Amino acid sequence: AQTVTQSQPEMSVQEAETVTLSCTYDTSESDYYLFWYKQPPSRQMILVIRQEAYKQQNATENRFSVNFQKAAKSFSLKISDSQLGDAAMYFCAYRRGTGAGSYQLTFGKGTKLSVIP
Amino acid sequence: EPEVTQTPSHQVTQMGQEVILRCVPISNHLYFYWYRQILGQKVEFLVSFYNNEISEKSEIFDDQFSVERPDGSNFTLKIRSTKLEDSAMYFCASSETGLPTDTQYFGPGTRLTVL
Repeated sequence: AQTVTQSQPEMSVQEAETVTLSCTYDTSESDYYLFWYKQPPSRQMILVIRQEAYKQQNATENRFSVNFQKAAKSFSLKISDSQLGDAAMYFCAYRRGTGAGSYQLTFGKGTKLSVIP
Repeated sequence: EPEVTQTPSHQVTQMGQEVILRCVPISNHLYFYWYRQILGQKVEFLVSFYNNEISEKSEIFDDQFSVERPDGSNFTLKIRSTKLEDSAMYFCASSETGLPTDTQYFGPGTRLTVL
């Protein structure tokens, strides 16, 4: 079974600085997808960024980028130029890419990010 | 932008009572999911639903749980006889195709408290 581990329950960052959130996963599959979701307080989870395992190039979305180390099974999220609106719970998630059945997400426990003005 | 909505936002019930949690997925989406998060624990998959039947379910989704799409818009999760350990945040999600590349859109969740 796949597992996703986020070892940092809480992180904080100064506004305008850079922060990196860690995520490791375990899988025996070769085809899969990795995601970072953001959940602001009392709001729904929204997708921040997605990485396809077959792609060597790290995904980027504006101020958000990932460091995907497939051999190490590591998938960290870097937030540059942090803004107050980045304060949220961040979830790392895994989804297999092939096989029968549905493609549900397997989540980590989340990292609560605080942004200090 | 279309959103997944869930009602109620908070439900309090007595142990042994039945509860129905409601979700309105995004209108052109075909795949629906329920997840739950017990306080302090991971978000866990419960069930996926496609074409009016369960596509996959986890070991958590036992006979006490059922899902239904009673009309063209609602997607419900019923817990027949709630237990204390059912207290959790329940998230509904939907996706357009269900493919692994497809984004799952989540609702804001229903907090269920079983007393």
